[in-house]
Amino acid sequence: EVKLLESGGGLVQPGGSLKLSCAASGFDFSRYWMSWVRQAPGKGLEWIGEINPDSSTINYTPSLKDKFIISRDNAKNTLYLQMSKVRSEDTALYYCARGYDGFRNYFDYWGQGTTLTVSS
Amino acid sequence: DIQMTQSSSYLSVSLGGRVTITCKASDHINNWLAWYQQKPGNAPRLLISGATSLETGVPSRFSGSGSGKDYTLSITSLQTEDVATYYCQQYWSTPYTFGGGTKLEIK
Repeated sequence: EVKLLESGGGLVQPGGSLKLSCAASGFDFSRYWMSWVRQAPGKGLEWIGEINPDSSTINYTPSLKDKFIISRDNAKNTLYLQMSKVRSEDTALYYCARGYDGFRNYFDYWGQGTTLTVSS
Repeated sequence: DIQMTQSSSYLSVSLGGRVTITCKASDHINNWLAWYQQKPGNAPRLLISGATSLETGVPSRFSGSGSGKDYTLSITSLQTEDVATYYCQQYWSTPYTFGGGTKLEIK
């Protein structure tokens, strides 16, 4: 059974940093593109970015490129999202999702999300 | 960036009825379109990929259609468990983008 389990969320002060993790199981993590998607309270879905299996290609949504870094450790079956200079508008539920198609990705499995709250 | 527009943010339909949710891309996306269902408190669930391909386990009352810039998710014989918010997503080009969502309720 495919499982994605996010962790690392919490309360962060504006301007602070946080690193989220997504532990994958039930599939060959090293063969799949992975993405982060977020959802602000009561709002829609926003794609943050993706990373290919060997970490040689990382794509971001342009507005977040300078503050978020996506990485992965295939030996640990774990995806990461390093967030810096966070602001109140970064308050959201952060999902990791498995990319299905490779070069062009839709998302066939999602975790349950981890919540980031940015507040002083 | 390709903008995805779901014209209806809210729909109310009778049980057993048919509903059509529309999604319009700002550029041609060549059927690289997915639909997701999200129930309150849950992660999104993939329903359809490639504009028309139903995922395994998704009831056949769901269907997708469209081409070019215009796409549709249809649900026939609406059930109570279909109450959810539905999102389209283009994956023709990065940044991948989602529509704003259509919240479906029972009338």
